[in-house]
Amino acid sequence: QSVLTQPPSVSGAPGQRVTISCTGSNSNIGADYDVHWYQQLPGAAPKLLIYGDNNRPSGVPDRFSVSKSAASVSLAISGLQAEDEAAYYCQSYDNRLTAVVFGGGTVLTVL
Amino acid sequence: QVQLQESGPGLVKASDTLSLTCTVSGGSLSDYYWSWIRQPPGKGLEWIGYIYHSGSTNYSPSLKSRLSMSIDTSKKKFSLTLTSVTAADTAVYYCANVDREHYNFDRWGLGTLVTVSS
Repeated sequence: QSVLTQPPSVSGAPGQRVTISCTGSNSNIGADYDVHWYQQLPGAAPKLLIYGDNNRPSGVPDRFSVSKSAASVSLAISGLQAEDEAAYYCQSYDNRLTAVVFGGGTVLTVL
Repeated sequence: QVQLQESGPGLVKASDTLSLTCTVSGGSLSDYYWSWIRQPPGKGLEWIGYIYHSGSTNYSPSLKSRLSMSIDTSKKKFSLTLTSVTAADTAVYYCANVDREHYNFDRWGLGTLVTVSS
């Protein structure tokens, strides 16, 4: 059971918008620790997608964005493309566990 | 751009010690923290620990009793040692650099699969 909770799977048609939630508690996201997102294409290493307050590394399109509320952060992917089909992980820090924590991952299927 | 490459045995016997090395290119070790993350087959990501260029460390509480990390700044390598391994330690092991401001994993190695055999 992961400290950060993500839905196991989401899906959407090309061109649509999907969101992936990452829900924590007052010892991680609710304590205002940064939340970061990674994309893992099939058979590949994870890649940094978004870090901190909606910062995208060079090369990541602005179709990817995040929003935050209380102890939850959501990744939004607009204009869905076939190449977005991947697993997505959120990551933060937990001050009760004194550890970096990941969400369990969400598999995005583009229909 | 920082690039990372993991190396080490792909097969370790249960109860033995797992040792991996990460070689860094394209960056200075003092610019980042350095970390190991693992992923059991078909499962999610698990943070293992950080090491700083000074040699100080921060380990996952769940692995702390079996874990040791070291760094060689002259060779631009850092290493992981995990003792008394079991089948539960079978995973793809990734090394990554850590942004010192946001604590995100910036760049990742390709990963190396380590299988613990009985």
